[in-house]
Amino acid sequence: DVKVTQSSRYLVKRTGEKVFLECVQDMDHENMFWYRQDPGLGLRLIYFSYDVKMKEKGDIPEGYSVSREKKERFSLILESASTNQTSMYLCASSLISSTVVGSEKLFFGSGTQLSVL
Amino acid sequence: GENVEQHPSTLSVQEGDSAVIKCTYSDSASNYFPWYKQELGKGPQLIIDIRSNVGEKKDQRIAVTLNKTAKHFSLHITETQPEDSAVYFCAASIEGYSTLTFGKGTMLLVSP
Repeated sequence: DVKVTQSSRYLVKRTGEKVFLECVQDMDHENMFWYRQDPGLGLRLIYFSYDVKMKEKGDIPEGYSVSREKKERFSLILESASTNQTSMYLCASSLISSTVVGSEKLFFGSGTQLSVL
Repeated sequence: GENVEQHPSTLSVQEGDSAVIKCTYSDSASNYFPWYKQELGKGPQLIIDIRSNVGEKKDQRIAVTLNKTAKHFSLHITETQPEDSAVYFCAASIEGYSTLTFGKGTMLLVSP
């Protein structure tokens, strides 16, 4: 089975701190995604990557950046954490297929609940 | 961009009853519609999907229907069981062009 591992289940940080959320997948998937999940707002795409060193903005990229130096690892960076970034963060991966972008099966990690105080 | 509306936000049923969750989408070009199930403490998992060239798809107790004219699609769960309790997300995309846009989710509670 595909395994998507997020480094922390719970994380507490202070306002202004630089925060790194790490995600690793073990199935050689080309595509990786970062979503945030908030009650009543569903899943919103922050950033995604179709290849090493490539990144694309999602629907809510403001205040975030990403890094993909290796195929299996995708990091989400909060340059200066703010209280409105308190949320559940979900990483996902999928196999690439140039003909079916947008309809790949997503494999999600279990999420990181980030609290910014 | 695409907008996906999902209803209801919460749904409580008795074990053995049927459950229906409905979604509408705004972009008539959307042609791929998956449903994800998120159990407590876990990430969402794909349970069924449908493409716009099909009106209905069934997998055991779950089925999805699509009405392209009305731009809505629904998830049907029959003979519900307590293990069906979870948050369900619908989504839509244009295959080959856009990433998925998710609905806000439906919390389904199945009481024994």
